[in-house]
Amino acid sequence: QVQLVQSGAEVKKPGASVKVSCKASGYTFTNYGISWVRQAPGQGLEWMGWISAYNGNTNYAQKFQGRVTMTTDTSTSTAYMELRSLTSEDTAVYYCARDRSNNDYWGQGTLVTVSS
Amino acid sequence: QSALTQPASVSGSPGQSITISCTGTSSDIGGYNFVSWYQQYPGEAPKLMISDVSNRPSGISNRFSGSKSGNTASLTISGLQAEDEADYYCSSYTSSDTQVFGGGTKLTVL
Repeated sequence: QVQLVQSGAEVKKPGASVKVSCKASGYTFTNYGISWVRQAPGQGLEWMGWISAYNGNTNYAQKFQGRVTMTTDTSTSTAYMELRSLTSEDTAVYYCARDRSNNDYWGQGTLVTVSS
Repeated sequence: QSALTQPASVSGSPGQSITISCTGTSSDIGGYNFVSWYQQYPGEAPKLMISDVSNRPSGISNRFSGSKSGNTASLTISGLQAEDEADYYCSSYTSSDTQVFGGGTKLTVL
């Protein structure tokens, strides 16, 4: 069965970076892209960007341009999302999801807390 | 890219039907048939309920249906059940080759 398993919760100080992983199983990794979506406490879903697991092409939301990098490691079927220059407004649950849209499988979420 | 507009909350009694609207622009909902709907329970990941405006993924009850008219998409839930109480989000592809979500709608089953 398809599964996306994310790395564990992180606590970071303002100005630091965080790198969240998303390990896929149960399907051919390179046949689908991975989207990243975040949700601040009590807030709605926010699309951050997408990466093609086939060729590594990326497309980031304008809000995160220059501050986010999405990568994949096809040898381990793992996607990564790195967010830099963290502020308290980046405190959120970060999700990976299969495909560019119509996201049919989601990871369990990774809580990133930014606090001094 | 501004978020799509959804009502903050809707409610209905068991057995009734409710509709959640999702309004965008000609650069997103109105320009493409790539609208999705997600259901989310507190503390859980979202679940895809409708894809490409009106398609139900395997395993999704036929009580859930989607449609679109102009710049507005809609999710209708018929025969409302207590288990339908959750947050619902719409999403659309955009002309910037990105995705955008709605602000979310809290459904209360009375």
